[in-house]
Amino acid sequence: ETGVTQTPRHLVMGMTNKKSLKCEQHLGHNAMYWYKQSAKKPLELMFVYSLEERVENNSVPSRFSPECPNSSHLFLHLHTLQPEDSALYLCASSQAVTGGAEAFFGQGTRLTVV
Amino acid sequence: AQTVTQSQPEMSVQEAETVTLSCTYDTSESNYYLFWYKQPPSRQMILVIRQEAYKQQNATENRFSVNFQKAAKSFSLKISDSQLGDTAMYFCAFMRSELWANAGGTSYGKLTFGQGTILTVHP
Repeated sequence: ETGVTQTPRHLVMGMTNKKSLKCEQHLGHNAMYWYKQSAKKPLELMFVYSLEERVENNSVPSRFSPECPNSSHLFLHLHTLQPEDSALYLCASSQAVTGGAEAFFGQGTRLTVV
Repeated sequence: AQTVTQSQPEMSVQEAETVTLSCTYDTSESNYYLFWYKQPPSRQMILVIRQEAYKQQNATENRFSVNFQKAAKSFSLKISDSQLGDTAMYFCAFMRSELWANAGGTSYGKLTFGQGTILTVHP
């Protein structure tokens, strides 16, 4: 398996549930990202991990909790979400030490909060 | 903060014709990177073309080319000989180069995206 893989592809959860999104990259990259894509809004960067260290957190509510156990895996733990959190969540990876390096994206997880 | 604006929510073109998608951006940086990404119905974002701001020559990739006007902060994408498979959402994106400089021992690239343009290619 190559590229960036996200699971699950679709997720429906209630506001009191706890779930996790998973991202795995097989490209040997050392930076990983979570983006949120909402309808009619630009993609928003949520979190960045570079060399397994969180280097950016764009004022994301604490109900979203990222985890990067190693350079190949990235998780987004979800709890007590709100309906407005329904969106497409995209994971990406890149080679952190190369200026202007291309980001490779997964196919996203379509999250619906009911 | 940087902003990226795509003023065309939707565009359409006939197969084999040429279409141009517009993008403008705002930054005080002198060195940066610009990208066009394509997101087909499969949802996976795919890089179409990349431009380095310090290079005056416009980037080209087969049927895709850009018109990069640094002074005007404009970065349009031209698709020649449009194909049905070009139907997708197209995103213009900006990346500061200085975020690649070591900061506390780490470095990374942050993309700022425009709102996207839905392109439909008709047979």
